[in-house]
Amino acid sequence: DQQVKQNSPSLSVQEGRISILNCDYTNSMFDYFLWYKKYPAEGPTFLISISSIKDKNEDGRFTVFLNKSAKHLSLHIVPSQPGDSAVYFCAASEAGGYQKVTFGTGTKLQVIP
Amino acid sequence: EAGVAQSPRYKIIEKRQSVAFWCNPISGHATLYWYQQILGQGPKLLIQFQNNGVVDDSQLPKDRFSAERLKGVDSTLKIQPAKLEDSAVYLCASSFSRGAGPSYNEQFFGPGTRLTVL
Repeated sequence: DQQVKQNSPSLSVQEGRISILNCDYTNSMFDYFLWYKKYPAEGPTFLISISSIKDKNEDGRFTVFLNKSAKHLSLHIVPSQPGDSAVYFCAASEAGGYQKVTFGTGTKLQVIP
Repeated sequence: EAGVAQSPRYKIIEKRQSVAFWCNPISGHATLYWYQQILGQGPKLLIQFQNNGVVDDSQLPKDRFSAERLKGVDSTLKIQPAKLEDSAVYLCASSFSRGAGPSYNEQFFGPGTRLTVL
């Protein structure tokens, strides 16, 4: 049962343009959402997060949007840079407890110079 | 601040052999996680420790996998005996969280151990 889904396994974008990575979830108990970035041969690194009480969170070139009614979130990268080329994982966590995180399958972003 | 350390980085074994992975979390981090990431999939939580106690091992195949966290610091994950489907990257992560609660604590990941079972 895949509770966090990233339906696009890959995405190619020209440098300077916007990259939009999408994520859908099925568990209505999720209340915290995260994006992790992963380079080859390295572990994932935290990028940006959003609480379910918000619909937008911005950090520099990265913005995450949350649509709770649609159970959908997206990550926008503007402008995209070649160094952004990596695998991006969407993840979600339930309120309270020990904050078990469920990851999506990842989207490989390639930014073309 | 030193990051999460893992060793070895790569391991190749024959099926039915045993293997062990080691993780040293960031100093002061109470929570430690082991994830399995199969090629083309996202990381899947195998086990989560709070200090030296297990708080979630619901997805750990306990007939062949075991894990311990020594004195609430280092941790080892063992597979005995290994199967072909255990080929994956095993990621260790740690976070500062000291227990259950509403606030989220960022997980910091190590570089992982790539296991190939032949």
